[in-house]
Amino acid sequence: EDQVTQSPEALRLQEGESSSLNCSYTVSGLRGLFWYRQDPGKGPEFLFTLYSAGEEKEKERLKATLTKKESFLHITAPKPEDSATYLCAVHILTGGGNKLTFGTGTQLKVEL
Amino acid sequence: KAGVTQTPRYLIKTRGQQVTLSCSPISGHRSVSWYQQTPGQGLQFLFEYFSETQRNKGNFPGRFSGRQFSNSRSEMNVSTLELGDSALYLCASSSRGGDEKLFFGSGTQLSVL
Repeated sequence: EDQVTQSPEALRLQEGESSSLNCSYTVSGLRGLFWYRQDPGKGPEFLFTLYSAGEEKEKERLKATLTKKESFLHITAPKPEDSATYLCAVHILTGGGNKLTFGTGTQLKVEL
Repeated sequence: KAGVTQTPRYLIKTRGQQVTLSCSPISGHRSVSWYQQTPGQGLQFLFEYFSETQRNKGNFPGRFSGRQFSNSRSEMNVSTLELGDSALYLCASSSRGGDEKLFFGSGTQLSVL
């Protein structure tokens, strides 16, 4: 069965303290791996898509990487506004439809 | 360009009732997906519609149903509500489906008493 596991469940950082979030997956027929950010009371907001092992993408203080079994979201010198829940999701082959399987997320809190 | 709009924002229902949630996708988007989000299970896929046809369905009982109209707006219906149906229901749209990114609405928070 397809599985996506995120760790840690929660992470508390001081402003400027860099860290990484992990997303490990066991799926067949991976089409893409997505990272989303979700703020309280809102729907997830797209951050990155990675398609193949070795691929990396960056946006401001965030950098996402992908291997054959896991993805990392690196946060460099985080600020309080980076506090949110970060979700990873995999898109798998289901006959052409658009189905994402999500992990349960990492709740990030960045303090001054 | 307006984002994905979901109505209502909050709903309170009692067990046994039914409920209909509405989603208006981004203009031009033809794929609409629905997800249920709970603290314990995270986001779980309900179903996806593309050009008025259900293309994918998740592992939910038949009490959960949906449809899509010719203008791409979508509704989902839950009949015979149970306490465990309390959740945030999220709608997401994309232009064609497939492996592209989804744009999510803010969701409908359903509480079943």
